[in-house]
Amino acid sequence: NAGVTQTPKFQVLKTGQSMTLQCAQDMNHEYMSWYRQDPGMGLRLIHYSVGAGITDQGEVPNGYNVSRSTTEDFPLRLLSAAPSQTSVYFCASRPPATYGYTFGSGTRLTVV
Amino acid sequence: DQQVKQNSPSLSVQEGRISILNCDYTNSMFDYFLWYKKYPAEGPTFLISISSIKDKNEDGRFTVFLNKSAKHLSLHIVPSQPGDSAVYFCAASQDAGKSTFGDGTTLTVKP
Repeated sequence: NAGVTQTPKFQVLKTGQSMTLQCAQDMNHEYMSWYRQDPGMGLRLIHYSVGAGITDQGEVPNGYNVSRSTTEDFPLRLLSAAPSQTSVYFCASRPPATYGYTFGSGTRLTVV
Repeated sequence: DQQVKQNSPSLSVQEGRISILNCDYTNSMFDYFLWYKKYPAEGPTFLISISSIKDKNEDGRFTVFLNKSAKHLSLHIVPSQPGDSAVYFCAASQDAGKSTFGDGTTLTVKP
């Protein structure tokens, strides 16, 4: 069981570039979320999904897009990278019946 | 406006003693509360949770207490072990799929 897999683990982007952070889970979890963690701060919710075809915004959605075409995958797209998006990004999933999320190991993104 | 607050950025305890981590929240609509543990360069790991209809939940060395009237919850670790040294996040859930996190408390357990 791989759990939640995030790729890449590290990425450096130039301002204005776009990219997609990948997230895949093999636990058949319906709920998936994307969080970002800035230094010394907690995790802030970017977007979340309660099932395939259903997504919604979290606390800090600006500059990010998501889609959920399958239960397994929940990619996060940065449309035009900005230095303020330098952060560690975590993807997480859980089944509806429980509240504890299983997190991936994160993607460390630097925008220069 | 931060809805989940962990006012102590750090806590240091001696091995074998009790660790008490605190968390306050402002939104009375939260119906589930959770604690996560995070090691450097890893994702958070779910530790323990409590429903808003309960006031205590225990799992081995970990106990979470909820005081709804004070909008306060705490995590007790007894006895504390060096391997417990990590960042602990408090989180609260209201709507399906959404969890709001505090800023974390770094626990150091000294041998």
